[in-house]
Amino acid sequence: DTEVTQTPKHLVMGMTNKKSLKCEQHMGHRAMYWYKQKAKKPPELMFVYSYEKLSINESVPSRFSPECPNSSLLNLHLHALQPEDSALYLCASSRPDRPHYGYTFGSGTRLTVV
Amino acid sequence: GQQLNQSPQSMFIQEGEDVSMNCTSSSIFNTWLWYKQDPGEGPVLLIALYKAGELTSNGRLTAQFGITRKDSFLNISASIPSDVGIYFCAGANAGGTSYGKLTFGQGTILTVHP
Repeated sequence: DTEVTQTPKHLVMGMTNKKSLKCEQHMGHRAMYWYKQKAKKPPELMFVYSYEKLSINESVPSRFSPECPNSSLLNLHLHALQPEDSALYLCASSRPDRPHYGYTFGSGTRLTVV
Repeated sequence: GQQLNQSPQSMFIQEGEDVSMNCTSSSIFNTWLWYKQDPGEGPVLLIALYKAGELTSNGRLTAQFGITRKDSFLNISASIPSDVGIYFCAGANAGGTSYGKLTFGQGTILTVHP
């Protein structure tokens, strides 16, 4: 299994809603990542988890809250988002000992905030 | 911080033509990755380069890690319509505060006319 699976594929939420994005991988990777991507722009790193611990937070607003409940799962909890947060949210995973090996992205969740 | 200059920004070519794109950096990287992204999907890893001077092929794709470690190029031979998409280069350095971080180029949008 060489896939990173993200759900849901599409999400529309209001600014007062709470929702969660989910990511799952079964490649034995112990490094997992959240990225945000605007149309025709490169992905921007948000968070890095290594061995289920948050190792990098790229100054992301607190309305985005990551969680890594186990080595296969990564969640991104969303609350009180703004329309400008609408984007494609990508999850990725890689080997933690050599983090740029096997760096695999999921298909993303297309988020629209209304 | 580190920045990658990817060129060209876009290309319009005829089916069967060869394509070349490149990335340059103001500082060195010890890993270069090339990704292709289709609309609504996540980036898919095409080629990974881990050693300066390395030349690697994957089918019709060939990529090289520049000897100065500040640049990389990707060639696509005999283009076909399914080559359409956005191509991103990404540079990385292992360890320390750079752990797991990819620095992306701005992307090359490739259009192939049948």
